Amino acid sequence: AQTVTQSQPEMSVQEAETVTLSCTYDTSENNYYLFWYKQPPSRQMILVIRQEAYKQQNATENRFSVNFQKAAKSFSLKISDSQLGDTAMYFCAFMKPDYYGGSQGNLIFGKGTKLSVKP
Amino acid sequence: AAGVIQSPRHLIKEKRETATLKCYPIPRHDTVYWYQQGPGQDPQFLISFYEKMQSDKGSIPDRFSAQQFSDYHSELNMSSLELGDSALYFCASRVTRRNTEAFFGQGTRLTVV
Repeated sequence: AQTVTQSQPEMSVQEAETVTLSCTYDTSENNYYLFWYKQPPSRQMILVIRQEAYKQQNATENRFSVNFQKAAKSFSLKISDSQLGDTAMYFCAFMKPDYYGGSQGNLIFGKGTKLSVKP
Repeated sequence: AAGVIQSPRHLIKEKRETATLKCYPIPRHDTVYWYQQGPGQDPQFLISFYEKMQSDKGSIPDRFSAQQFSDYHSELNMSSLELGDSALYFCASRVTRRNTEAFFGQGTRLTVV
């Protein structure tokens, strides 16, 4: 079974600075997908970034980038130029590929990291 | 762009009552997932449907059931409600064959009193 571990329950960062959230996972699969979801106080689940395991290049989305280390099973999220609106709970999630609507495709989440951006 | 629609947004029920949560996936998405997120917890997978057929079950209590209808909307039925069922219930949808990410609805906050 797959597991996802986020070892930082809470973090804080000053506005405009950079912060890195850690995530490790355990799987015997070779092909899979990793995601970071953001959950602001509104409780909406918002996709931040995704990474395909077969791609060596780290994904980036504007101020958000990941450091994907497949051998180490590590998937950290870096937020540059932090903004007050980045304050949220951040969940790392694992997904096995699901091509035929079978028993994969559901997300396995870590426990989350609560990020506070301070002015 | 159309998003995943969940109704109702908030629901208050008494113990031992029944609740029905509805989910309308994004058009042309073929897979629907239900997740339960307790207070201060991460979302837990309950059940999924692919093309109107149940495809997988997670930690869903026997008191809960779900189905997906011909128009692809899904309903989560919860009977004999317990205080511990109070949680945020998310529905998510995606296109399976493209292995795209799941898009989440805004959730239904269920409070059992």
